[in-house]
Amino acid sequence: EVQLVESGGGLVQPGGSLRLSCAASGFTFSSYWMSWVRQAPGKGLEWLANIKGDGSEKYYVDSMKGRFTISRDNANNSLYLQMNSLRAEDTAVYYCARPRRSISEEYWGQGTLVTVSS
Amino acid sequence: DVVMTQSPLSLPVTLGQPASISCRSSQSLVSSDGNTFLNWFHQRPGQSPRRLIYKVSNRDSGVPDRFSGSGSGTDFTLKISRVEAEDVGVYYCMQGTHWPWTFGQGTKVEIK
Repeated sequence: EVQLVESGGGLVQPGGSLRLSCAASGFTFSSYWMSWVRQAPGKGLEWLANIKGDGSEKYYVDSMKGRFTISRDNANNSLYLQMNSLRAEDTAVYYCARPRRSISEEYWGQGTLVTVSS
Repeated sequence: DVVMTQSPLSLPVTLGQPASISCRSSQSLVSSDGNTFLNWFHQRPGQSPRRLIYKVSNRDSGVPDRFSGSGSGTDFTLKISRVEAEDVGVYYCMQGTHWPWTFGQGTKVEIK
């Protein structure tokens, strides 16, 4: 059974940093693109970043470039999102996802809440 | 970025009746390989989004056949043939053709 479990969320002050983790199981992690998606409270969805299975390609939404970094550790089946210079508008639930554009079996985690506030 | 525009944003429905949601993109979603990466998601309160439809009209595993997707180019539709109580929530269209992948604003479906 495929499982994606996010962790690392919490309360952080503006300007602070946080690293989110996503523990993957039930599939060959290194073979799949992985993604981070977020949803501000009561708002819609925003796809943030993608990373190729071997980590050789990364894509970011423009508003995240320079502040957020997606990475992975295939030996430990883990996906990460390093978030720096956090702002109040970064407050959101952050989801880890295994996107599959052309076939079924796309999976999302349950999300982890990040709150940026003083 | 590709802008995805859904309508309506709120949809009161009667149990057992059909429902339809429209999604329009600001540019064609046909990719260079001929695929159209238009997805539909459903999100219940307090839950993660669940993809229902991929590539315009393909149902994901376990999705009831009362859900169907159609469209081409820039205009797409999600239809529910007979609404059931479990279908309430917010529906999002999403394009995966052009980076960054983008979502519509969401359509909130509720029972009348």
